[in-house]
Amino acid sequence: SSELTQDPAVSVALGQTVRITCQGDSLRSYYASWYQQKPGQAPVLVIYGKNNRPSGIPDRFSGSSSGNTASLTITGAQAEDEADYYCNSRDSSGNHLDWVFGGGTKLTVL
Amino acid sequence: QVQLQESGPGLVKPSETLSLTCAVSGYSISSGYYWGWIRQPPGKGLEWIGSIYHSGSTYYNPSLKSRVTISVDTSKNQFSLKLSSVTAADTAVYYCARQVVGRQTDWGQGTLVTVSS
Repeated sequence: SSELTQDPAVSVALGQTVRITCQGDSLRSYYASWYQQKPGQAPVLVIYGKNNRPSGIPDRFSGSSSGNTASLTITGAQAEDEADYYCNSRDSSGNHLDWVFGGGTKLTVL
Repeated sequence: QVQLQESGPGLVKPSETLSLTCAVSGYSISSGYYWGWIRQPPGKGLEWIGSIYHSGSTYYNPSLKSRVTISVDTSKNQFSLKLSSVTAADTAVYYCARQVVGRQTDWGQGTLVTVSS
């Protein structure tokens, strides 16, 4: 099965812009979806597809993709954005119906 | 709005079978979409376990395939997970989720299952 690789930790100053990346062969075939998870809570979908936000997700969250890398950008990070972020996509190495998650990135807002 | 709720024993003995159910409200499973199970060991990342289509077709993580069974009961609007021969490594928060094209749109709150004698 495929793997998705994320940096374990990233930090950003309050109000600044941060990019969280996800790399993997599956991303050449499929868009990533991105999830925010705060301690003790279930993950919440924040970005999917080319660059789509579910209802209720602030527009400071955006997504992009190039080659085997997907990125989640937070423009003007807020204290409440401090969380773990996971990327997720279909697994292109198998029957294309399997899913794979990245290892997660812990975002600290300074 | 779709809501999902996991239920099942919070403690399972090693070598036994873990059984969880996900009750869905606000949407009829028989109407479509995939429905999946995802787990998260304490302090670690997310791992996809497997998914089931409303028709009953199943897809499992190759690393768990030999031990996993996912089934659906459309009459009760719920789907279930069975994981056999559990060990301490299966201790995790187990989530159920609805899977729409390209993403997991709705998640249950999660349930902690501890494997211990």
